[in-house]
Amino acid sequence: SQQGEEDPQALSIQEGENATMNCSYKTSINNLQWYRQNSGRGLVHLILIRSNEREKHSGRLRVTLDTSKKSSSLLITASRAADTASYFCATDRRAGNMLTFGGGTRLMVKP
Amino acid sequence: SAVISQKPSRDICQRGTSLTIQCQVDSQVTMMFWYRQQPGQSLTLIATANQGSEATYESGFVIDKFPISRPNLTFSTLTVSNMSPEDSSIYLCSARQGSYEQYFGPGTRLTVT
Repeated sequence: SQQGEEDPQALSIQEGENATMNCSYKTSINNLQWYRQNSGRGLVHLILIRSNEREKHSGRLRVTLDTSKKSSSLLITASRAADTASYFCATDRRAGNMLTFGGGTRLMVKP
Repeated sequence: SAVISQKPSRDICQRGTSLTIQCQVDSQVTMMFWYRQQPGQSLTLIATANQGSEATYESGFVIDKFPISRPNLTFSTLTVSNMSPEDSSIYLCSARQGSYEQYFGPGTRLTVT
């Protein structure tokens, strides 16, 4: 069963704009990971944030985690057409346990 | 990071037949998993592949339909048995070392006719 729910399900923006995707989950977690999937291909790992962290950055990506609200957000700044993909959050409830995925956000960046 | 390869990358199979998907990781990992992604959907965990013992299946998945092997710390196979069109999906192998990042293979796109 899915642990997380993502919002919005689909997002369409212009190149250069920022894209924000949100993820909510139900139970306490050990960490939360974000992935990108291009058109039915494999998943690319973007970033991992641990339960004791509140914010992480990686290039144009910024991830926040609010464990009190059981939610996370992924911000992509200065988006590019190549960012067009589906983005998934995934959580694990115990260290080393398997990941449970949210429903995903389909992002389209128009050139 | 772990690099994961899968074979085959895609296949078209007839109903009633079986397909075995291979997964190879470029380093030893503690955990290996198999996921299914149905068209337009998110990923659903099928099972955790345990080295040297029976896989641990999630609710809704059974060993007779999805037998899994993991003979060592870098290799696993998933068989989709007695296939029906409802089994048409992308099957993804995944690996993880401890509580670190979890990585995925490129997936196997299966179409059952």
